[in-house]
Amino acid sequence: AQKITQTQPGMFVQEKEAVTLDCTYDTSDQSYGLFWYKQPSSGEMIFLIYQGSYDEQNATEGRYSLNFQKARKSANLVISASQLGDSAMYFCAMRVITGGGADGLTFGKGTHLIIQP
Amino acid sequence: DGGITQSPKYLFRKEGQNVTLSCEQNLNHDAMYWYRQDPGQGLRLIYYSQIVNDFQKGDIAEGYSVSREKKESFPLTVTSAQKNPTAFYLCASNEGAYSNQPQHFGDGTRLSIL
Repeated sequence: AQKITQTQPGMFVQEKEAVTLDCTYDTSDQSYGLFWYKQPSSGEMIFLIYQGSYDEQNATEGRYSLNFQKARKSANLVISASQLGDSAMYFCAMRVITGGGADGLTFGKGTHLIIQP
Repeated sequence: DGGITQSPKYLFRKEGQNVTLSCEQNLNHDAMYWYRQDPGQGLRLIYYSQIVNDFQKGDIAEGYSVSREKKESFPLTVTSAQKNPTAFYLCASNEGAYSNQPQHFGDGTRLSIL
């Protein structure tokens, strides 16, 4: 079974600062994918970034980057130059790759990020 | 616009009643999923379907049932056997062919007990 741990229930960050959201995972499988989602107070889940277990470079998508340390089983999300609109819940999730990409995701409990002006 | 439509947005259930949550997608995706989210918690997988007329139990399937008669539709029934159904329910889909594909989510249904 897979497990995702997010140790920061809540974080307060000043606008324009960079922020790192922690995520550690546990799996015995060698082939897996890691995802980060943002959930605003309205409830929808917004995909941010993906990292595959065999990817040699850290993933980046605009202001989002993923600090992937495979040996430590960590996949931290870094948001550069934070904005007020970044205030939301952030979830780390994992998919073990068995027969393709149709398996369900295992989610962490999330981090509530609040950006202060 | 392509996307996932969940209805209703809010739903109330009486004791002993079954209720069905609708999920429709026009993304032509093969795989569809149902998740449950409790307050302040992450999402937990209830059921998923990789192809029409086939589905698998997730981590918390007890008290729920699903069907997949059409590619675009994956309704979830919350049965009277589910003793704590109050939660936020999210439906998702993805093509399923490649592991790096993110799941696309609907806007969710909030279910409460009367």
